[in-house]
Amino acid sequence: GESVGLHLPTLSVQEGDNSIINCAYSNSASDYFIWYKQESGKGPQFIIDIRSNMDKRQGQRVTVLLNKTVKHLSLQIAATQPGDSAVYFCAEGGNQGGKLIFGQGTELSVKP
Amino acid sequence: GAVVSQHPSRVICKSGTSVKIECRSLDFQATTMFWYRQFPKQSLMLMATSNEGSKATYEQGVEKDKFLINHASLTLSTLTVTSAHPEDSSFYICSARDPPSTADTQYFGPGTRLTVL
Repeated sequence: GESVGLHLPTLSVQEGDNSIINCAYSNSASDYFIWYKQESGKGPQFIIDIRSNMDKRQGQRVTVLLNKTVKHLSLQIAATQPGDSAVYFCAEGGNQGGKLIFGQGTELSVKP
Repeated sequence: GAVVSQHPSRVICKSGTSVKIECRSLDFQATTMFWYRQFPKQSLMLMATSNEGSKATYEQGVEKDKFLINHASLTLSTLTVTSAHPEDSSFYICSARDPPSTADTQYFGPGTRLTVL
């Protein structure tokens, strides 16, 4: 079933530092993974995705790493900015008939 | 591309009334849309999968008679919360899949904040 968190883990970083947000996914058969950013009061915004045949993918200031052995996904944000403050969710898919299973989310707070 | 809109963005209603929320894909046709609800400080919880031209598929524990879903066209899905009660107050978010994509990428609307008094 879906992963629903009771409270959000938080990560606080200094502006300009790199951020690493981690996610453990649940289904070893999942072959597609997405990171979303959700600002307060808004819908989730697509950041980056990765297929299971890759272990790393880079975007603009973001990198996603996938470790299928331990079912772990991470999002790295370089030179974190105040505008990066939000809740970040990982989602897994590819074996759910189009459905995505969301992780509990991590709240990123960037200190100026 | 892949823009999804929702209307209204915020609604306040009295207990016992019904509320309709619209979800539109603006620049693509979506045969499949999804409806989620989200409580404060929690993750997104999938309520149902909306399929154009057929009945929606509801997740376990979601009452289909209370949360009516209609997907009458390739760009519009509606969620009607019938006989709303205070416990239905939540943030409702829809998403749509962009058909040309072979992945399960979903693009989300901005959400609708429902408050039931």
